[in-house]
Amino acid sequence: AQSVAQPEDQVNVAEGNPLTVKCTYSVSGNPYLFWYVQYPNRGLQFLLKYITGDNLVKGSYGFEAEFNKSQTSFHLKKPSALVSDSALYFCAVRDPNSGYSTLTFGKGTMLLVSP
Amino acid sequence: GAGVSQSPSNKVTEKGKDVELRCDPISGHTALYWYRQSLGQGLEFLIYFQGNSAPDKSGLPSDRFSAERTGGSVSTLTIQRTQQEDSAVYLCASSLTGGLNQPQHFGDGTRLSIL
Repeated sequence: AQSVAQPEDQVNVAEGNPLTVKCTYSVSGNPYLFWYVQYPNRGLQFLLKYITGDNLVKGSYGFEAEFNKSQTSFHLKKPSALVSDSALYFCAVRDPNSGYSTLTFGKGTMLLVSP
Repeated sequence: GAGVSQSPSNKVTEKGKDVELRCDPISGHTALYWYRQSLGQGLEFLIYFQGNSAPDKSGLPSDRFSAERTGGSVSTLTIQRTQQEDSAVYLCASSLTGGLNQPQHFGDGTRLSIL
């Protein structure tokens, strides 16, 4: 089975400060991990993914995420938050060894960046 | 190029009626997914189409739900005898292939309200 947890329903940060949105996962093998962002009344937009290789992955809009196998985590980070980053963020996982054909998403974390 | 297109964007109907939701994936994408997004519940996988293979229907919540994909392109999700608990945003996504490392590209969804 594959599962993902986002322990925070909401994260508040001031503009210009660094931000972290947390994600932990559970799979039987090596995971494929993804981050998506959703703006109001829109679909999800792909930000970045980890498949293999360097544990630090860089993505769109200045976001990055660090894969930590020992902690089974894939936290999303950005050095300096913008008000326009305020949105709903989803972490997702696939276990390539499970035979399961699609992504399992977390319940999402609302990021609010204040001016 | 054009992204994933879904129609209608909003649908209000009475309990017991049938509804059809349409998804037009990105041209050339062979994989197509349907998800349901309910408030506070994250994304729930419904069904997955890959090329000419038999679809993965493992996420469909009841036999009132069905989906087709004609000609390997446009897909229709049908809900028969709608219930109030069917109210949600229905999201469609496509990817270039069904490869597990492929990101999914989402449409803006159909917001379904059952009165």
